[in-house]
Amino acid sequence: ETGVTQSPTHLIKTRGQQVTLRCSSQSGHNTVSWYQQALGQGPQFIFQYYREEENGRGNFPPRFSGLQFPNYSSELNVNALELDDSALYLCASSPKSGWGTDTQYFGPGTRLTVL
Amino acid sequence: GEDVEQSLFLSVREGDSSVINCTYTDSSSTYLYWYKQEPGAGLQLLTYIFSNMDMKQDQRLTVLLNKKDKHLSLRIADTQTGDSAIYFCAEINPLSGGSYIPTFGRGTSLIVHP
Repeated sequence: ETGVTQSPTHLIKTRGQQVTLRCSSQSGHNTVSWYQQALGQGPQFIFQYYREEENGRGNFPPRFSGLQFPNYSSELNVNALELDDSALYLCASSPKSGWGTDTQYFGPGTRLTVL
Repeated sequence: GEDVEQSLFLSVREGDSSVINCTYTDSSSTYLYWYKQEPGAGLQLLTYIFSNMDMKQDQRLTVLLNKKDKHLSLRIADTQTGDSAIYFCAEINPLSGGSYIPTFGRGTSLIVHP
């Protein structure tokens, strides 16, 4: 039990739609990161937020956007969904920067299927 | 660009040692990590090693780092059926401004037979 929750657990959307995924971090965790994990692959870093500002971004297009709120919750928004967006989306929170010796605590993920 | 490679499968007998290998390409990596993912769950950090270390031991886990060959390994002693999971190797690459970009391997599926 990491104290990080994600909703919904599963989601089915059609191509071209928009989706919002939610994450609730542990209290006091100022950093949240989002990852995309396609079937049979390792997680790919989407972006990281620290104190409500984007603090690093992987190789994802601008239609992937995020928000972090003062109450330790965050959102991942994906516009104009494509079939290749089907994946498990993981969020991870940490007290500080999220890397170095700082442990990231992962949620169980949201499984998104795009038809 | 950065790339992290792992073998996809490893099968061992309960009680034996498991060795999971990983190679990476970015020599500027500062930390390297091993994560475990059980079915239907997120990732759990097992251990990490700083790039100026050769070895780190943590109970049943031993991490070896060969920086010259960019090779990382995770040894699990006395492997148990509960160790069956997917193991991911990850490196991080610092960006200017203090942020980091992590890169994960595809994962090694460890199967432990009774």
